[in-house]
Amino acid sequence: AQSVTQPDIHITVSEGASLELRCNYSYGATPYLFWYVQSPGQGLQLLLKYFSGDTLVQGIKGFEAEFKRSQSSFNLRKPSVHWSDAAEYFCAVGAEAYYFGNEKLTFGTGTRLTIIP
Amino acid sequence: GAVVSQHPSRVICKSGTSVKIECRSLDFQATTMFWYRQFPKQSLMLMATSNEGSKATYEQGVEKDKFLINHASLTLSTLTVTSAHPEDSSFYICSAMDRGGNTIYFGEGSWLTVV
Repeated sequence: AQSVTQPDIHITVSEGASLELRCNYSYGATPYLFWYVQSPGQGLQLLLKYFSGDTLVQGIKGFEAEFKRSQSSFNLRKPSVHWSDAAEYFCAVGAEAYYFGNEKLTFGTGTRLTIIP
Repeated sequence: GAVVSQHPSRVICKSGTSVKIECRSLDFQATTMFWYRQFPKQSLMLMATSNEGSKATYEQGVEKDKFLINHASLTLSTLTVTSAHPEDSSFYICSAMDRGGNTIYFGEGSWLTVV
């Protein structure tokens, strides 16, 4: 069965500092990987996704993530955070068939990001 | 750990019928649950926010009479797609926020196919 682990429940960084949010997955075949962000009172917003090809994926809001098959990881990074980045971040994994309408999507438990001035 | 169970994981129904999808928090009380839908190859879209004991808050463009949400207890929210049509075929996923508002857990989704 597929699973996702986000080891950090809560991370605090200073505004302007770099950020890395960890995501490890377990899946037997090629995974489809996603990062979502949820701001308070709002729904999920897709930051980026990885299906195949270049393992470094660029997303919205200056985020990027790198797929490392050998480490079963898909960590999210941003070189310089802004106060508006404070939110809950979720990593998710799906089977290839998921994106075409057949399989389930598994989310991690999320990492809450706090930004301090 | 906390688990959110969503049932059924796949359902096929005939056009014009109604189908109910359940979202249960198995070992915690969820005061708030969220319902999303996703069409193949697109992103999740929030449909509504469901608070226990009160009416759900629907996002703009989501028909509340079409997608009935009931959150009758602290462990169960249901989404009923009424008079389903093929265009309602989609992936529906719920998430539940624990009582302290500290953590959100996701179900694994339900694929609805209307034929």
